Amino acid sequence: SQQGEEDPQALSIQEGENATMNCSYKTSINNLQWYRQNSGRGLVHLILIRSNEREKHSGRLRVTLDTSKKSSSLLITASRAADTASYFCATDPGSARQLTFGSGTQLTVLP
Amino acid sequence: EAGVAQSPRYKIIEKRQSVAFWCNPISGHATLYWYQQILGQGPKLLIQFQNNGVVDDSQLPKDRFSAERLKGVDSTLKIQPAKLEDSAVYLCASSLRRGGETQYFGPGTRLLVL
Repeated sequence: SQQGEEDPQALSIQEGENATMNCSYKTSINNLQWYRQNSGRGLVHLILIRSNEREKHSGRLRVTLDTSKKSSSLLITASRAADTASYFCATDPGSARQLTFGSGTQLTVLP
Repeated sequence: EAGVAQSPRYKIIEKRQSVAFWCNPISGHATLYWYQQILGQGPKLLIQFQNNGVVDDSQLPKDRFSAERLKGVDSTLKIQPAKLEDSAVYLCASSLRRGGETQYFGPGTRLLVL
């Protein structure tokens, strides 16, 4: 079963705009990770946020985590056409168990 | 540092045939994962190895899928016989350790079963 569910399923924006994707999950987590997948390629790790963190930045990426609401958001600022990809959240339940991936948000950045 | 290697990149077979995929993880990574990703969905874990032992194969359809990781390095995933619903991308990933570690993915093998 997939614990994380991304919202929206698809998002289309103009280059230069910000893109926000959300992830909701059901059970407690140790950490939450975001991955990007370009068409026809494997997944690439973007950022990891631990359960005791509320916000994390990496370049143009900003991730927030609200464990009380069991939700996370990924913000991409000043988007570029190269950001066009699918974005997945993955939850780590801890205790050395495996990551569970959501169904993804398909982001299209129009030039 | 070399990434996760997978081959072949593409495979087309007819139903009831067999197929095998190969994965070579990042050097030194003890944990290796095989995922199945159906179009429009996120990756679903099929099997997880820690060195050459199986940690989790609860979602592996064992009547037709098998996997091995001899010597704790590269791994092979086999499907025999294939069904139409096996059409998907098969992703291999590796991580330094078990648990919620960052995973590094290969490019995947796209399988089409006709």
